[in-house]
Amino acid sequence: GAGVSQTPSNKVTEKGKYVELRCDPISGHTALYWYRQSLGQGPEFLIYFQGTGAADDSGLPNDRFFAVRPEGSVSTLKIQRTERGDSAVYLCASSLRAADTEAFFGQGTRLTVV
Amino acid sequence: TQLLEQSPQFLSIQEGENLTVYCNSSSVFSSLQWYRQEPGEGPVLLVTVVTGGEVKKLKRLTFQFGDARKDSSLHITAAQTGDTGLYLCAGARSGGSNYKLTFGKGTLLTVNP
Repeated sequence: GAGVSQTPSNKVTEKGKYVELRCDPISGHTALYWYRQSLGQGPEFLIYFQGTGAADDSGLPNDRFFAVRPEGSVSTLKIQRTERGDSAVYLCASSLRAADTEAFFGQGTRLTVV
Repeated sequence: TQLLEQSPQFLSIQEGENLTVYCNSSSVFSSLQWYRQEPGEGPVLLVTVVTGGEVKKLKRLTFQFGDARKDSSLHITAAQTGDTGLYLCAGARSGGSNYKLTFGKGTLLTVNP
């Protein structure tokens, strides 16, 4: 596609539910990143994929968060037992190569846990 | 801990005015990027600076990277209403984790007609 696509744009879920957020990177980009942006804050790094593998998941806040990228393209961020504190905009970005820090961001998924 | 401090946090000016926003850190970065983010959108890269003392110009925007690569500034000349948005700086560390960006909280700029 022309840019990084994230679905859904908005997601409202009840506390304790499971959610999946999808990211479709720019075609041919091998590196994919997830960031989380809380209200009034800059984005915070969650996880980085190089190809199919999670090369760095040090930003995931706890074991309720998990992400996959099984075929080296689309990625899914999964959040179990959601909490109100998980409410934020989840941003996905991709870049041609890992060392190429020019990353292109999607529009984000706004997650609201009620 | 927020490693990149941006100031001011909020800035409201009239069209035609000049402004400067700052991004400061006690840490050294191998490169620093400036993004603009509009409501409901992801950040859009404006510029990357990599050399200490580097100055880059993008039309009415001038970006400077500090000599020690710890700070940066963004100057806008003759601001326009279309410049309204959240300006974020983000630093990349040298070494194996240079893919990981550390963002500041941003400066929310409003340019009034």
